[in-house]
Amino acid sequence: EDQVTQSPEALRLQEGESSSLNCSYTVSGLRGLFWYRQDPGKGPEFLFTLYSAGEEKEKERLKATLTKKESFLHITAPKPEDSATYLCAVLNSGNTPPVFGKGTRLSVIA
Amino acid sequence: DAGVIQSPRHEVTEMGQEVTLRCKPISGHDYLFWYRQTMMRGLELLIYFNNNVPIDDSGMPEDRFSAKMPNASFSTLKIQPSEPRDSAVYFCASSASGGKYEQYFGPGTRLTVT
Repeated sequence: EDQVTQSPEALRLQEGESSSLNCSYTVSGLRGLFWYRQDPGKGPEFLFTLYSAGEEKEKERLKATLTKKESFLHITAPKPEDSATYLCAVLNSGNTPPVFGKGTRLSVIA
Repeated sequence: DAGVIQSPRHEVTEMGQEVTLRCKPISGHDYLFWYRQTMMRGLELLIYFNNNVPIDDSGMPEDRFSAKMPNASFSTLKIQPSEPRDSAVYFCASSASGGKYEQYFGPGTRLTVT
């Protein structure tokens, strides 16, 4: 059974304090790994898709990386508006929808 | 592009009542997903459709839950009868074909059953 574990569950950062969120997975044949951002009271918003180990994607202060066992979402010099829950989801080699992790709640304090 | 549209945004009902949640996917997307989100269990897939056909409903918790997609631009999730443990946020998402499964979510319906 595919499993996705995100850590930490919650993270509190000072503005400008860079850090990383982790998404570790066990899946039969990874076809893709997705990162989403979810603001309170809203639906998840798609950020990135990574397809193979070694791949990296960037958007503003966010950079997502992928290895064979895990993905990291690096946040460089975060701002309070980066506060949100970040979800990852993995897609296996079968024709089934992605499996989501429970997310990391990020708070960036000014 | 209006994105995925869900209605109502909030629903408060009494135990035993029927609840119907509605979703309009992004035009051109041929996959539609219904999710439930709670603090304890996170985001759970309930059912998904491809080209209006239900593909997998194994996530539907009980026979009290049913979903339909009569056409490419509309889907409903119905709970009858509703129970307090059904209280959650229900999301609809859609994606285009090609196996990429990059999903675009609606704003959700917050359901409270008293």
